[in-house]
Amino acid sequence: DAGITQSPRYKITETGRQVTLMCHQTWSHSYMFWYRQDLGHGLRLIYYSAAADITDKGEVPDGYVVSRSKTENFPLTLESATRSQTSVYFCASSAPLSNQPQHFGDGTRLSIL
Amino acid sequence: AQTVTQSQPEMSVQEAETVTLSCTYDTSESDYYLFWYKQPPSRQMILVIRQEAYKQQNATENRFSVNFQKAAKSFSLKISDSQLGDAAMYFCAYRYAGGTSYGKLTFGQGTILTVHP
Repeated sequence: DAGITQSPRYKITETGRQVTLMCHQTWSHSYMFWYRQDLGHGLRLIYYSAAADITDKGEVPDGYVVSRSKTENFPLTLESATRSQTSVYFCASSAPLSNQPQHFGDGTRLSIL
Repeated sequence: AQTVTQSQPEMSVQEAETVTLSCTYDTSESDYYLFWYKQPPSRQMILVIRQEAYKQQNATENRFSVNFQKAAKSFSLKISDSQLGDAAMYFCAYRYAGGTSYGKLTFGQGTILTVHP
């Protein structure tokens, strides 16, 4: 089925651990995004990618790493998780035309103890 | 940098009544898009309505309509004949239409809408 899939849906880990959130889309969209959702802040952009091997920082990139070796995948890695990174993470994708909406995955709820 | 502000953390409405959610934004650009997204408890992000800044006519999608005031940088969402299924968090979002934006969205803080039967 066409769509955007995030995994896992829920994750609990400990401070200092490395954790990777996966994102896979089947539309061959050029643009992909990672947001985090926190109460009182809405969704904030962490990183985005315009195409394979092209990534750039968003509003809150510190502590996160991304890669995009294939168009369809855009994993987000927390290299050394901190409690402040407890959040709900959303992956999204869109076609490059400016009038195209973003399509979102169902989110990953990440808890860091 | 663009900012989006939703000043109503929570709103409530009686079933079948009308409610308006507020959103203001700040930008120096003239060509952009504005969106309202709905997020039910399932966490899905559902696009409700979209407005192109160059269009003077307010967008409408069934029971959902917007009041777009470009000079005032205001973009409110009106939900008519509210239904229990409209209960959700609603986010206002802005996107610059230029190529350098890469489609990035700037979101407001969100408004939790409760619908009372």
